[in-house]
Amino acid sequence: AQSVTQLGSHVSVSEGALVLLRCNYSSSVPPYLFWYVQYPNQGLQLLLKYTTGATLVKGINGFEAEFKKSETSFHLTKPSAHMSDAAEYFCAPVGGGGADGLTFGKGTHLIIQP
Amino acid sequence: DTAVSQTPKYLVTQMGNDKSIKCEQNLGHDTMYWYKQDSKKFLKIMFSYNNKELIINETVPNRFSPKSPDKAHLNLHINSLELGDSAVYFCASSPGLAGLYEQYFGPGTRLTVT
Repeated sequence: AQSVTQLGSHVSVSEGALVLLRCNYSSSVPPYLFWYVQYPNQGLQLLLKYTTGATLVKGINGFEAEFKKSETSFHLTKPSAHMSDAAEYFCAPVGGGGADGLTFGKGTHLIIQP
Repeated sequence: DTAVSQTPKYLVTQMGNDKSIKCEQNLGHDTMYWYKQDSKKFLKIMFSYNNKELIINETVPNRFSPKSPDKAHLNLHINSLELGDSAVYFCASSPGLAGLYEQYFGPGTRLTVT
């Protein structure tokens, strides 16, 4: 089964600064990869996903992520943080078969400092 | 026009009671899920149904019983509630099996067992 590691349970950045949230997956077979965001007291919503094709994936709200097979990584970035980006972010890889349930990373809480 | 709805939003009950959480999706999706999110935001899949059939049943106490009367509904019944059942429970749906498709999450049901 696939698994992910999200480095840093909490990440704090200043408003306007670069956001970098790290996700590494463990597999010899490149999986499908998703980033979800959970705003306070809400359910999760998809930010972006990588299945095949272009390795740089753009998502909603100015976020993007790059799939790097050599590093088994799928880090999430945003050039300039906004206060509204404060949320919990989850990385989720799934084996290509799709029969498994979705296994989420432990989440990274993004704090935006004014 | 909520895509995935859950009722109730909050549920406070005493140990030993039996309770149900209801979930409905109006997206026409074939697959529905139940997740449990603990106080540390760790998200764990509990069950998945595809076309009313159970396809994923993770290691969950048999006090938890999902029921899918039709494709649009997936309810969660919990018997003999315990303190450790306190968590936020999320329902989700997707057009097909997990991993290939984005999941759409409900707003969550915060269960507190006293």
